Amino acid sequence: QSVLTQPPSVSAAPGQKVTISCSGSSSNIGNNYVSWYQQLPGTAPKLLIYDNNKRPSGIPDRFSGSKSGTSATLGITGLQTGDEADYYCGTWDSSLSAGGFGGGTKLTVL
Amino acid sequence: QVQLVQSGAEVKKPGASVKVSCKASGYTFTGYYMHWVRQAPGQGLEWMGWINPNSGGTNYAQKFQGRVTMTRDTSISTAYMELSRLRSDDTAVYYCARDPWHSSSYDYWGQGTLVTVSS
Repeated sequence: QSVLTQPPSVSAAPGQKVTISCSGSSSNIGNNYVSWYQQLPGTAPKLLIYDNNKRPSGIPDRFSGSKSGTSATLGITGLQTGDEADYYCGTWDSSLSAGGFGGGTKLTVL
Repeated sequence: QVQLVQSGAEVKKPGASVKVSCKASGYTFTGYYMHWVRQAPGQGLEWMGWINPNSGGTNYAQKFQGRVTMTRDTSISTAYMELSRLRSDDTAVYYCARDPWHSSSYDYWGQGTLVTVSS
């Protein structure tokens, strides 16, 4: 019962590009910033993208974010085996006055 | 450098309470909201609430209203999350996370604290 909807899994070959979608509503994505996180097994989430499309220092430009209406997308180019992880989108929901996340997407680099 | 260091793993019986700490260093503790997020085994991230370390003001997810209390001690730059009336489905890793932009985006996370609820 996540606030945001993500595909459970995506996969692509090394060197290729993959996109992960995140769908919400006007009360969350539609009127608030979106962030993206990478979580490797057994570790805390790591911020990849904030304010829809900004990268914190140290995050390579292989990672990009975009938002349109009530949906957001994370793009990863030049896939590496080290990118295999769970990816989460997050935002604020103004109607609930609460933070919310997507259910997570498992990326497999074949 | 910014660090959030959480207290160690806990094992609790159903009905008990747990208090997890999150000690901040490397920045002005009162300048940034602190959020708490949990993750049940094999599950996704679940937002629990935030505390404003400057004022002590809080905002809790409706699901946890009445069971969660977030506090802080500015003298030691530490935030706390206490969850009461524990149930087995409260078994999870609990994270504190800093929100520098007050937009529910988290740039630094604690290492996580595993809370196991079992009889």
